[in-house]
Amino acid sequence: EAQVTQNPRYLITVTGKKLTVTCSQNMNHEYMSWYRQDPGLGLRQIYYSMNVEVTDKGDVPEGYKVSRKEKRNFPLILESPSPNQTSLYFCASSARQGGNYGYTFGSGTRLTVV
Amino acid sequence: QKEVEQNSGPLSVPEGAIASLNCTYSDRVSQSFFWYRQYSGKSPELIMSIYSNGDKEDGRFTAQLNKASQYVSLLIRDSQPSDSATYLCAVTPGANNLFFGTGTRLTVIP
Repeated sequence: EAQVTQNPRYLITVTGKKLTVTCSQNMNHEYMSWYRQDPGLGLRQIYYSMNVEVTDKGDVPEGYKVSRKEKRNFPLILESPSPNQTSLYFCASSARQGGNYGYTFGSGTRLTVV
Repeated sequence: QKEVEQNSGPLSVPEGAIASLNCTYSDRVSQSFFWYRQYSGKSPELIMSIYSNGDKEDGRFTAQLNKASQYVSLLIRDSQPSDSATYLCAVTPGANNLFFGTGTRLTVIP
């Protein structure tokens, strides 16, 4: 089954404790992206990657890191999480850049930072 | 400017009626337009894409695009309670971003 897999689904952590949210897709998609979704603000892009070893900032990159060492994986790293990073996070992938072919989203990760 | 504007709703329609969802965008170079449906607690799901002016129909869904007015809409005919969800409009200027509106919450009343 074609899908984007995120883990974990739920995560509660404390301020400053480094964490990684994993994302993997099995569709051989070139383009991958991370979004966060907050009430009243909608989906905002954090980082995106057009291919292996090619990443760039989205609209809200502060406090986040990503890497793209393999085509299928695109982990999101929070080096020192803060409460304002409490949010619902989605990983998404697309066959081509720019979302012209539509995105497939993962199931989401609900992160709470206390 | 990258704004995508949607009325947050909630929009309530009776079962069997036509639901009309609207979206305006500010970037004149936007090339591709999408509607996503998001059920509460779930991830967005692509339901329609449209790239040229006019109407595009897929089952009970019709997307309408007017680039001159920078306006895109989604019509849902014969609305069902299972259509109750938040509908997200998204546009891309052909670069590396897909910009989303904040969504319109639709409730279909049985």
